[in-house]
Amino acid sequence: QSALTQPASVSGSPGQSITISCTGTSSDVGGYNYVSWYQQHPGKAPKLMIYDVSKRPSGVSNRFSGSKSGNTASLTISGLQAEDESDYYCSSYTSSSTRVFGGGTKLTVL
Amino acid sequence: QVQLVQSGAEVKKPGASVKVSCKTSGYTFTSYYIHWVRQAPGQGLEWMGIINPSGGSTSYAQKFQGRVTMTRDTSTSTVYMELSSLRSEDTAVYYCARTVSYGAFDIWGQGTMVTVSS
Repeated sequence: QSALTQPASVSGSPGQSITISCTGTSSDVGGYNYVSWYQQHPGKAPKLMIYDVSKRPSGVSNRFSGSKSGNTASLTISGLQAEDESDYYCSSYTSSSTRVFGGGTKLTVL
Repeated sequence: QVQLVQSGAEVKKPGASVKVSCKTSGYTFTSYYIHWVRQAPGQGLEWMGIINPSGGSTSYAQKFQGRVTMTRDTSTSTVYMELSSLRSEDTAVYYCARTVSYGAFDIWGQGTMVTVSS
């Protein structure tokens, strides 16, 4: 199972919006609505930000949103804040009943 | 509150085995699956496998087949991950995380650093 494809880095200024893409295949991202997104600060465990493509867990800011089109899922962060600077990972359920992660995207807030 | 608390850091020699524990609390142990995910230094997350605490059934990523064993102890609500034939490339932080069925990893352990070095 190959890792999902994410851009290595994205950046934006405070107040702007950014979008991180996550591309897979019809056997994972495209085949199921079980895509999730995680935020990971250095030295910390990942934190769930979006599940089931577009749902937000309780306590996560509504500045974070998710969507999917075909084999590509996306995470959008609006109203960028300095605290959003972090690594972000997508994950999907697969047709083999396994899980797969993206390679990760480093978000820099300029 | 819901918690997954992992055992402490380990240093192992190449060829040895390591067993990491993940003690759960704050929820019904048999109602959630437990996964193991690792992260090598400076690298991304890598899914290793899953265990169903209810019956003990497991499924492993092909990459780790034959080298990883996941078990559980229902009396202590603890899950274990044992990795054998360790090599330097296995140096990583190992996380346990729970899911409901096909869902997302909603709670994570704090991570256990495993260093493989001669």
